Amino acid sequence: GAGVSQSPSNKVTEKGKDVELRCDPISGHTALYWYRQSLGQGLEFLIYFQGNSAPDKSGLPSDRFSAERTGGSVSTLTIQRTQQEDSAVYLCASSRHGGLAGVYEQYFGPGTRLTVT
Amino acid sequence: AQTVTQSQPEMSVQEAETVTLSCTYDTSESDYYLFWYKQPPSRQMILVIRQEAYKQQNATENRFSVNFQKAAKSFSLKISDSQLGDAAMYFCAYRSALSGGSNYKLTFGKGTLLTVNP
Repeated sequence: GAGVSQSPSNKVTEKGKDVELRCDPISGHTALYWYRQSLGQGLEFLIYFQGNSAPDKSGLPSDRFSAERTGGSVSTLTIQRTQQEDSAVYLCASSRHGGLAGVYEQYFGPGTRLTVT
Repeated sequence: AQTVTQSQPEMSVQEAETVTLSCTYDTSESDYYLFWYKQPPSRQMILVIRQEAYKQQNATENRFSVNFQKAAKSFSLKISDSQLGDAAMYFCAYRSALSGGSNYKLTFGKGTLLTVNP
């Protein structure tokens, strides 16, 4: 079946503009994660969604970052008033479940490379 | 908070040879999961192998095997019979076995860039 897809693949934006990054998880996966991969910080967890529960936003670096997940499927990560330090690859992953009965593999998308000029 | 350290930013290996990538981690938890992920230039993270901390037996997947030393908090990856397609960035990752919220997140090391020479 289809894997995790993300769009756009690359995004160049000017400092101060807002951007939206999209993630389509694998069908039937109830858990969805966003990570950020940057040269300085490596791979960092941003936010976690599980079904219709309230998301865990503990990894979001500032209030300029927000994310939503509609209908328990597609997710959008929004960065407002982008800064140069937001330049990074944003990776989305999904899994069958967050945990409980064991660990389910997180399947990653190809990421969106964001460049803020 | 857990941390994962990969002390080798870059490694190289000759095709058909064996290479070992190092990973250490720090945690106060007794139960957890450890992973090795591969990231080729396409950026797609691919799970290579995983280890449950409660299992003493080291995980193996074809040419990939791990040396899990729980007391030393060490989790190295051995790649046997290296192939050109193994060239990629390799990340070691930790996941808590606790349930709830961000316990399900992966905590990654900085990565090791593996080059395979023909």
